[in-house]
Amino acid sequence: KAGVTQTPRYLIKTRGQQVTLSCSPISGHRSVSWYQQTPGQGLQFLFEYFSETQRNKGNFPGRFSGRQFSNSRSEMNVSTLELGDSALYLCASSEQGGTEAFFGQGTRLTVV
Amino acid sequence: KQEVTQIPAALSVPEGENLVLNCSFTDSAIYNLQWFRQDPGKGLTSLLLIQSSQREQTSGRLNASLDKSSGRSTLYIAASQPGDSATYLCAVQNQETSGSRLTFGEGTQLTVNP
Repeated sequence: KAGVTQTPRYLIKTRGQQVTLSCSPISGHRSVSWYQQTPGQGLQFLFEYFSETQRNKGNFPGRFSGRQFSNSRSEMNVSTLELGDSALYLCASSEQGGTEAFFGQGTRLTVV
Repeated sequence: KQEVTQIPAALSVPEGENLVLNCSFTDSAIYNLQWFRQDPGKGLTSLLLIQSSQREQTSGRLNASLDKSSGRSTLYIAASQPGDSATYLCAVQNQETSGSRLTFGEGTQLTVNP
C-alpha cells in the first residue's frame, strides 16, 4: 500500500506570489490534515478535510486555504506569500477521526 | 485549550542504554495519543498509537504507556542504537474536536552515541 505522497518536495517562491501544495492520502483514507512546522512554533494545525468538507480549522489567516477532491486528494493554497510562511508543510492522512495518522515527507517552502 | 509538553527537550546517551521520554497534556479528554519519530528535514513516522481506553502499547524495542487521568505518557526505548537518533514527538487527539486534529509537543531530540 502506498504511503502519503506530497508534491512538490521543495519550492522556492518570492514574496507576494501564491503557491499550491498537493497531498495524496493512503488509499481508502478519507481524512487529510495539513500542518505547518517551523523551528520557532513547532507543528501547528492548519485544517482538516473529510469527504471533501473542511471539518476543522486552525488559527491561520485566510491566506491559507485548502480543498479536497472526490478521490480524497487534497491541495492547500497560500496566497500573497510572506517571508514568515517559509516552513515545512506536512500532510497527514487517516481513515477517520480517532484513528492512526500517517504523514507524508512534507513540502519545504522557502519564501525569498 | 490542549497543551502538550515534552521533557527533556534534548537527550544524549551512549549506545545500549535504556531510556524514557516523557509527554504530558493538560486536557485528559482525549481520543488517543500517538508517538512519532522525525529525522532531520523529513516527515513524521508513526511509532505507536494508544487509544484512550488502553494503558500501553509495544512495538519491538519501544513501549509506550498512557495515564489519562494524570495527563501523562512515556515512551520507553530499550537497548538504544545510533539509528534511534531522531526527534521524538507526541501528539494527542481531543474528544471535543471532531475529526483528526492533533496537538503536538515540541519534541525530544535524541542522540545515541556509538
